[in-house]
Amino acid sequence: DQQVKQNSPSLSVQEGRISILNCDYTNSMFDYFLWYKKYPAEGPTFLISISSIKDKNEDGRFTVFLNKSAKHLSLHIVPSQPGDSAVYFCAAIGLNNAGNMLTFGGGTRLMVKP
Amino acid sequence: ETGVTQSPTHLIKTRGQQVTLRCSSQSGHNTVSWYQQALGQGPQFIFQYYREEENGRGNFPPRFSGLQFPNYSSELNVNALELDDSALYLCASSADSTTSFGYTFGSGTRLTVV
Repeated sequence: DQQVKQNSPSLSVQEGRISILNCDYTNSMFDYFLWYKKYPAEGPTFLISISSIKDKNEDGRFTVFLNKSAKHLSLHIVPSQPGDSAVYFCAAIGLNNAGNMLTFGGGTRLMVKP
Repeated sequence: ETGVTQSPTHLIKTRGQQVTLRCSSQSGHNTVSWYQQALGQGPQFIFQYYREEENGRGNFPPRFSGLQFPNYSSELNVNALELDDSALYLCASSADSTTSFGYTFGSGTRLTVV
């Protein structure tokens, strides 16, 4: 039972254009959603998060949108840069979970072409 | 300020053997979580330790066990290795057991079971 899904395993975008990464979830008890970025041979690094009571959070080139009724969130990167090429994971957390476990999606590999 | 250090970086074991993976938490962090990332999938929560006590566990069998030491470093032990245990094992530390936002991930240990 996959509670967090990223249906696009890969995405290719031209430098300077917008990258849109999508994520769907099934558990309505999730309180926060996070995006992580992972380069090869490195651990995931936190990128941006959004509370379930908000519908948008922006940080520089990165914006996350949350549609609770559709149980869908997306990460927008504008403008995309070659250094953004990495695997992006969507993750969710319910604050009353024991151990505060993160539930991750399967990841989307973003390739930004110069 | 040092980050999260995991050892070894790569390991090959035979089915049925036992393995111990190690993690040194970031300075000042008292909480450590372990995740398993199989090839092509997102990380899956194994368990979390807070001040040397297990503080939550994911859907992993008892042959996955852990320890946290007084200096907050940690070990993940896996007994009776199976081929499906081949994965990247990620350790993450934080200064607060109540939230995953402060997680710092290590680069992981790549375990191959043959």
